[in-house]
Amino acid sequence: NAGVTQTPKFQVLKTGQSMTLQCAQDMNHNSMYWYRQDPGMGLRLIYYSASEGTTDKGEVPNGYNVSRLNKREFSLRLESAAPSQTSVYFCASSTWTGGTQQETQYFGPGTRLLVL
Amino acid sequence: RKEVEQDPGPFNVPEGATVAFNCTYSNSASQSFFWYRQDCRKEPKLLMSVYSSGNEDGRFTAQLNRASQYISLLIRDSKLSDSATYLCVVKSQIGGFKTIFGAGTRLFVKA
Repeated sequence: NAGVTQTPKFQVLKTGQSMTLQCAQDMNHNSMYWYRQDPGMGLRLIYYSASEGTTDKGEVPNGYNVSRLNKREFSLRLESAAPSQTSVYFCASSTWTGGTQQETQYFGPGTRLLVL
Repeated sequence: RKEVEQDPGPFNVPEGATVAFNCTYSNSASQSFFWYRQDCRKEPKLLMSVYSSGNEDGRFTAQLNRASQYISLLIRDSKLSDSATYLCVVKSQIGGFKTIFGAGTRLFVKA
């Protein structure tokens, strides 16, 4: 049982390049999330998907796009990378289906991205 | 003011010590509260949920104070393996559901 997997683990981009971060979960979770983590800032939500076929903006969506390809996979795309997007990106999933129920978010190992 | 605030630390304590962290939140409508643990260069993992009546899991005790809008985490008999960053997480419903992570409190437990 792999849980949440992310690829790649590390990436270096030049300003203006594009790339897609991949995320997959094998826990049959409805909800998936993309966060970025910067020093002193905590994790900030970029986009989330509460179910297959739906996506919603989080706190910091500018410069990113997402695709919920199917229930398992949720990708994050940087169309034109900027140095401000240098960060550690975490994908997560949970059983949340909306509402106030408690949920545990399970995180992938992260992707470290450096934009020069 | 940040929606979720934590003392960044670091807290440096000897093995066997008791240490407590607080976390304040600004949204009085917040509904769910959690503590996550994050080891250096690793992903966050759920440590425990925080219930209104308070809850305990082994050496860890979590409390919620809605009147003062803070949650706390108490670690008794600290172990070297407790060294990590502890993230406070608050979930609220305002125009949709928001899960906000605090920036974390770093703990170092020394031999």
